[in-house]
Formats: sequence, C-alpha cells, structure tokens
Amino acid sequence: QVQLQESGPGLVKPSETLSLTCTVSGASLTGYFWSWIRQPPGKGLEWIGYVYNGGSTDYNPSFKSRLTMSMATSKNQFSLELSSVTAADTAVYYCVRSGDDSRGYPNYWGQGTLVTVSS
Amino acid sequence: EIVLTQSPATLSLSPGERATLSCGASQSVSSYLAWYQHKPGQAPRLVIYDASNRATGIPARFSGSGSGTDFTLTISSLEPEDFAVYYCLQRSHWPHTFGQGTRLDIK
Repeated sequence: QVQLQESGPGLVKPSETLSLTCTVSGASLTGYFWSWIRQPPGKGLEWIGYVYNGGSTDYNPSFKSRLTMSMATSKNQFSLELSSVTAADTAVYYCVRSGDDSRGYPNYWGQGTLVTVSS
Repeated sequence: EIVLTQSPATLSLSPGERATLSCGASQSVSSYLAWYQHKPGQAPRLVIYDASNRATGIPARFSGSGSGTDFTLTISSLEPEDFAVYYCLQRSHWPHTFGQGTRLDIK
C-alpha cells in the first residue's frame, strides 16, 4: 500500500526558508510525478510544483523564484524548500503522487502538515 | 493561468436528494478535469478523472460530465458520507489549478 508522510517544522519565522520532506513507502519514486499542494486556512487548494524522473521539476510560476524541489531516490523521499516566507505561506502542505495509473491526477496524498509562518 | 469557477459555493441538501455541482474553466481544458472530495482532517480523495471516469472504489452514484469549459459532478442520491467539500482540478495547462470548492452541507 502506497503511503506518503510529510515531515518538517510546524513553525517558520517570516523571511526564513520553509523545508518539508515527504517519505514514501510502498512504492518507488521512479516512474511517477511527486508534487506539493497546499491549502491556506479557509481557502482552496494550490499546486506548488512537482519533481519527476530523478530530479526534473516544474514549478508554479507563482513560486518559481523562491522554490526548490528535489528527490532522493535512495531514501525514497522528496523535498520542498520555499524561501523568504511570509504569513501568506501559512497552510496545510500535502505531498502527493500522480502517475499513469491515475491518468496524471494525484491519487495518493499524505495526511498534510500545517506550517505556520509567524515570529 | 486557467481559472476554474465552481458553483454554487454552498449546496444544502438532504440525504437521498440529487446533487449537481458545476465547474467552469476560463479556457478549454478538453477533458483533463478531475473532481475531488475533501473532508475535514483528511486528504482529498479522487472521485472523477478525465471528466467522466470514476476513480477506483468510487460508488456508481457519482458521475461526471462535460468537456471544454463546462463540467458537472452529479451525485444521484446523497448518502450521509457524501457531505464534504468538492474541488475540480484541471491538468490541461500548467500550472494545474483547482476551483475554489463547493461545500455540500446536510440540510
């Protein structure tokens, strides 16, 4: 059974870097697209970006200048770094998997982790 | 960026009733549209993909239709577990975008 689990600090100071890791069990990273999607409190879902093929990336232009995503195949993990955060980056962050088995739509999600940006 | 507009924002119905949720796209997304069910404290669940295909394990009371810019999710007879927020998602153009959601409440 495929499972994804987000980990990282729940509190980040303004102007600092938000770092999250997603650990995948039950599946290899190879052959799938691994994404981060977030949901600010009381708002809708927003696709941040994805990583695939050992490290290729596509970033939402809204985040491009401050976003880095990577994957560590040997550890079965992928990561998100979002720099220069503000209160607007406070959200539940989900790591998700998409693949041919779901026609490219996310079908496996982590439970989500709340990250609060506050001093 | 493609904007998806969902209507209504809130839909209040009783179990057994029929629910019709709409999603409109600012430009054509062909059939690259999905619907997700989202309950508090849980991860979103894929319900419909490619506009009209039920995802694995989704009951037959859920159906999707549409193409281009206008899409509909229909729940033929609401069960108590169907009350949730529903989001549409397009993956036709990057960045992939979600609608703002329709909250389906028990009346």
